[in-house]
Amino acid sequence: GNSVTQMEGPVTLSEEAFLTINCTYTATGYPSLFWYVQYPGEGLQLLLKATKADDKGSNKGFEATYRKETTSFHLEKGSVQVSDSAVYFCALSRITGGGNKLTFGTGTQLKVEL
Amino acid sequence: DTEVTQTPKHLVMGMTNKKSLKCEQHMGHRAMYWYKQKAKKPPELMFVYSYEKLSINESVPSRFSPECPNSSLLNLHLHALQPEDSALYLCASSYGRLAGADTDTQYFGPGTRLTVL
Repeated sequence: GNSVTQMEGPVTLSEEAFLTINCTYTATGYPSLFWYVQYPGEGLQLLLKATKADDKGSNKGFEATYRKETTSFHLEKGSVQVSDSAVYFCALSRITGGGNKLTFGTGTQLKVEL
Repeated sequence: DTEVTQTPKHLVMGMTNKKSLKCEQHMGHRAMYWYKQKAKKPPELMFVYSYEKLSINESVPSRFSPECPNSSLLNLHLHALQPEDSALYLCASSYGRLAGADTDTQYFGPGTRLTVL
């Protein structure tokens, strides 16, 4: 079956530090890959996505590259801010009989301190 | 505009009450989803509607009853819930079959925080 594995949190960083959140996946074929972010008390927001191998998704300074050879989609940001504190979910998407299903990782909580 | 709206934002109900959650989108999406999210967990899929027809039911108890009256609206009717049903209920939408295959992107609403007493 499909699965997504994310690095365990919480991750605590100082402002302006470099961020990496690891994500690897298992799936048949070539799924689309997503990063969603959830700020406290809110729903999920799409952060970025990639739909085929070697694609790089980017948004708000965050980047992730779809690596088929390592089945990975690691999230990176060069300089984090306090406002980036949130829970980050890696997910893959596959069409099933009835529709589109997202498989989520367990989520990684990021806390950025001054 | 990638906005999905949900009402109410918060809901407290007793185990004998009947209530409904509402979700709306005006992006022309033809697939709509209900998820349940417990604290510190990822969302769990409950239902998928495709072109106003229920296409996926993830073995959800019958005390949750979804309804899709038109392509823009999605309701979740609640009856005789249990305290363990307390959670954040998220709605999402996507283009569905119009987008094709796995590239279809789901956009989430802000959720309804449900507390069952």
